[in-house]
Amino acid sequence: DIQMTQSPSSLSAFVGDRVTITCRASETINTYLHWYQQKPGKAPKLLIYAASNLQSGVPSRFSGTGSETDFTLTISSLQPEDFATYYCQQSHAIPRTFGGGTKVEIK
Amino acid sequence: EVQLVESGGNLVQPGGSLRLACAVSGFSVSRTYMSWVRQTPGKGLEWVSTIYSGGNTYYADSVKGRFTISRDNSKNTLFLQMNSLTVEDTALYYCAREPTYSSPWDYWGQGVLVTVSS
Repeated sequence: DIQMTQSPSSLSAFVGDRVTITCRASETINTYLHWYQQKPGKAPKLLIYAASNLQSGVPSRFSGTGSETDFTLTISSLQPEDFATYYCQQSHAIPRTFGGGTKVEIK
Repeated sequence: EVQLVESGGNLVQPGGSLRLACAVSGFSVSRTYMSWVRQTPGKGLEWVSTIYSGGNTYYADSVKGRFTISRDNSKNTLFLQMNSLTVEDTALYYCAREPTYSSPWDYWGQGVLVTVSS
C-alpha cells in the first residue's frame, strides 16, 4: 500500500498568515494527489485535484504543487472559514489512501 | 442538483450484519465509479470499497470477504452489505463519487454512523 505522510499534524496560525501543509507519498504517484478540507460534523470537501488544479468554487487563496512523491497545499492568506482539518489522498493505486490530516487552528 | 444520502447506520453487536444505502440524485450511479469511505477518530479516513461503472468491485483488505458493494441502477442507489462486523468497523461511513478512474471523490454524502458494540 502507498503510505501518505502529512506534516505537520496540527498548526496554529493567525488570520492572514500564509500556511503550508506537506504530503509525502511512500512511492511515486505522479500527480494523482488530491486535497480535501473537512470541518467538524461535515464530509470532506475537495479543494485541489491532480496536485495543482483548483476545484470549481474553491477560493484562489488555495493552491497545490508537487509531483512524484512530494506535494504541498498552500493557503496564501488564512481566513476565518479556513480553520479546519486538511487531508491529502492518492488515487494512483488501489487501495486509495489518505494522509493522517493536518488540523489548522486559530492562534 | 447532486445529492448523496446515506442511510442504514445503527448499533449492532459484534458478528452482526448491516446494510448501508446511498440514494443518489443528479447523476447515474451506473455511469460512474462509486465508493464507500469511512472515518474513525483513531484511524482517520479509510477507503473501504469501490464499484466501477463496468461492475468491477474492489475492497480494502480489512473488509475483504466480509463487505459487499453493489448498486441498484433502477433506484439509483449504492449499497454496502456488511457482515461479520467487529468493533474495528465502528465508524462514520460516507458514500462518494469518483467521476473517472483515478479522479478524486468530488461529491460526498453526509455520512452514516455504524457502531459495533456488545
